[in-house]
This record gives sequence, C-alpha cells and structure tokens, in this order.
Amino acid sequence: AQKITQTQPGMFVQEKEAVTLDCTYDTSDPSYGLFWYKQPSSGEMIFLIYQGSYDQQNATEGRYSLNFQKARKSANLVISASQLGDSAMYFCAMREPSYSGGGADGLTFGKGTHLIIQP
Amino acid sequence: ETGVTQTPRHLVMGMTNKKSLKCEQHLGHNAMYWYKQSAKKPLELMFVYNFKEQTENNSVPSRFSPECPNSSHLFLHLHTLQPEDSALYLCASSQSSLRLAGYTDTQYFGPGTRLTVL
Repeated sequence: AQKITQTQPGMFVQEKEAVTLDCTYDTSDPSYGLFWYKQPSSGEMIFLIYQGSYDQQNATEGRYSLNFQKARKSANLVISASQLGDSAMYFCAMREPSYSGGGADGLTFGKGTHLIIQP
Repeated sequence: ETGVTQTPRHLVMGMTNKKSLKCEQHLGHNAMYWYKQSAKKPLELMFVYNFKEQTENNSVPSRFSPECPNSSHLFLHLHTLQPEDSALYLCASSQSSLRLAGYTDTQYFGPGTRLTVL
C-alpha cells in the first residue's frame, strides 16, 4: 500500500488564485513528520513546509500553509495568491521514526502534483 | 558555496564505464542521503549515512557503491550500470542528532545529477 498518496497528477490554476494540493498518508506510528517540497524544471527539491504529528496548529510559511487533519490522515498544501513562479512539481513526503537508532531516516515521497499557473 | 552542491550536473556514460557522483553540504549537517528519481516513479531512498556511518541501504544493487569520508562529503560510485539506471540522482543532508527524533529533521536537497546510461 502507498504510504503517501497525491491524487492530483496535474492542476491548472489562474494567477493570484489560491490553490490546494492534496496529500493523504498512511502510518500506524503516532510520531511522524510531514513535508512538502517544490521541484522546478531545474530539478532541485526545495523545502517548503513541515508539520509534526504532535503539532497542535497548522504550519505556515509565508504564502504556504499546511492544512493538517490528523484524524483523516490528510496534509494538504495551500498556496495563497499563486504566482507564475509557483509552476512546478510539488511533492508530499513523510518521515517515520527509525527504531534502529541514529536519528536519520529517509523520506517517503508521493508521486507529486504538476502545478501550472496560468496568467 | 552554500547549501548542498552536486557534481557533475549531467553525466552520460556507457554500461562498461566507471564514474562517481559527488555531493557536498555546507550546512554543518551530520546526515547525508542519496535518492533516485526515475521518470514516472516516486523518489526512492537509496542510502543513508549518519555521522559517517551507513545506516540504511534500501536494497540497492551493488553496481551502486556509496562512500562517505566525512560528514560534509558523499560519493556514489557507479560501475557496469544498466540503461534503466538512467535517472536524476539527488543528494540531501539533514542536521540529525542522536538525541532528537529523526522525524522532525528537515532534509535539504542538492540540484541533482542527471545520469544517462547508454
């Protein structure tokens, strides 16, 4: 079963509109972290926002906010007032704790959403 | 240089060649990672190094050989690759701490090396 599901392969949005990118996750561990990354056509993965499973409030970073609904296992990214430069691939990712020790664990990524902002 | 750098940015190699990818992080982090991004597939974790020790090998074929001489540098040595190994290879680093939970640790990525195997 997929651990991270992004159901929108592609989205077209008008400039200046708000956009919501969907992400659902699957884990049985009470401790986990959720991340969103942006990947422009150049290839670099750019960190946008983080939400911890124990955080009471939704994370916000400038125009980005994360709509965290723990009971639904949902972590949608909201971009307010979209800009042409927001056109890119967006990936939702999760980290679960490593019980093998060390504190460094890989991310599990979704398949991504290709967002295109139209003028 | 700032952040995470990767060289080369593009690499074309034959199946019998031996080449190496280099990653360097300037963030003072303790953990480094290799990921593979193939077309139409999610990013896949390949290797994890924490405090220079390999802590995870995600069932990667032996034709990929990682090396981490110190916490700032990570290499991926390639030999006798297959055309299906053509992909974007991304390096990442994170602070990591033996005292803090790993799931709170943000990973920062380099620009990637686009590899084509002929």
